[in-house]
Amino acid sequence: AQSVTQLGSHVSVSEGALVLLRCNYSSSVPPYLFWYVQYPNQGLQLLLKYTTGATLVKGINGFEAEFKKSETSFHLTKPSAHMSDAAEYFCAVSPILTGGGNKLTFGTGTQLKVEL
Amino acid sequence: GAGVSQSPSNKVTEKGKDVELRCDPISGHTALYWYRQSLGQGLEFLIYFQGNSAPDKSGLPSDRFSAERTGGSVSTLTIQRTQQEDSAVYLCASSSGSSQYFGPGTRLTVL
Repeated sequence: AQSVTQLGSHVSVSEGALVLLRCNYSSSVPPYLFWYVQYPNQGLQLLLKYTTGATLVKGINGFEAEFKKSETSFHLTKPSAHMSDAAEYFCAVSPILTGGGNKLTFGTGTQLKVEL
Repeated sequence: GAGVSQSPSNKVTEKGKDVELRCDPISGHTALYWYRQSLGQGLEFLIYFQGNSAPDKSGLPSDRFSAERTGGSVSTLTIQRTQQEDSAVYLCASSSGSSQYFGPGTRLTVL
């Protein structure tokens, strides 16, 4: 079974500061890895994903994440926070299946607050 | 192009009533997923469709929950005899590869 742990249910940063949201996963084999963002009363928007290849992946809105197999981690970063980044962020994993059925297992989410 | 749409956006019902939630996936996406988001349980998988078939129903919490998909497109999630613990946001996602694209969700409130 796969599981995801997001350390810190709430993270607060100043505008312009580094954003670091932590995600660790547990899986018998390396899975696909995702970060989603959810703004209030909206669905989930895909920020970025890791499937294969380069372990540093870049996503939308200036976010990036690095897959570290040895640490079973996929932390999300952004060099400079903007007020519009305030939202809830979810890390997720799915099994690597070629025929579909890549159901997502989510972490509990991290609420990011950006302060002036 | 058009994203995943869901209707209704909000549904308030009385305990014991049946409800139907609809999902229109992105055109051409063969895979469709339903998830539930609630305060107590977080985001949890309910069911997966490939075409009109549902090879994975492992997340449906009880036999009061069922879903179907027709024409390889629209899907309906039905909850019979709703209970207060069914109150949640029901999210639909579709995909044609490894990425899933989510709709805005249906907020279900059971009084």
